Amino acid sequence: ETGVTQTPRHLVMGMTNKKSLKCEQHLGHNAMYWYKQSAKKPLELMFVYNFKEQTENNSVPSRFSPECPNSSHLFLHLHTLQPEDSALYLCASSQNSGQTSAHQPQHFGDGTRLSIL
Amino acid sequence: GQNIDQPTEMTATEGAIVQINCTYQTSGFNGLFWYQQHAGEAPTFLSYNVLDGLEEKGRFSSFLSRSKGYSYLLLKELQMKDSASYLCAVRHMTTDSWGKLQFGAGTQVVVTP
Repeated sequence: ETGVTQTPRHLVMGMTNKKSLKCEQHLGHNAMYWYKQSAKKPLELMFVYNFKEQTENNSVPSRFSPECPNSSHLFLHLHTLQPEDSALYLCASSQNSGQTSAHQPQHFGDGTRLSIL
Repeated sequence: GQNIDQPTEMTATEGAIVQINCTYQTSGFNGLFWYQQHAGEAPTFLSYNVLDGLEEKGRFSSFLSRSKGYSYLLLKELQMKDSASYLCAVRHMTTDSWGKLQFGAGTQVVVTP
């Protein structure tokens, strides 16, 4: 139990479908992240939210749309995805308060395994 | 550019020691993290280094040399459950005072009986 819960754990969808990934953290953190993890590749940072405000969009295609309604919940809305979007999508959270929290690690959920048909 | 390199795979015997190296090139270095990730599970935090030297936590130790852009994770008295991917991640300090985390591709450690 990491304190970060992601649902669903597995998702298979067609390229024309619309679905959403959900992440919830129970750690009282103020920052949340979406990462993409493909086989044999480094984790790729997609989006960052600090205090519910998006502070990073790492050149992610618009077919991925994040939403952060509060500091505990993060969504990733998906539509018209491509086969190359098949990957493990990881959510993480951390406590960011500037330099004093630089040593605070990010806590990850177990991820959603996404397969695009 | 910013680059993080670590070996793809290492194999070691139960009870042995394994050292996983990580080299990085970055501007605005502000700490290095090691994570462990078992297949199908979340990466879990192992260690953090921001100053040069060795940090020891039980069977796991992590070393940092900022001048060389180099770190290693040392796993002692290997157990079968240590078979996992080990991720090196560097924090970069940006102008907005918040640091991004950049990950290496991970080193798959296989522990054999």
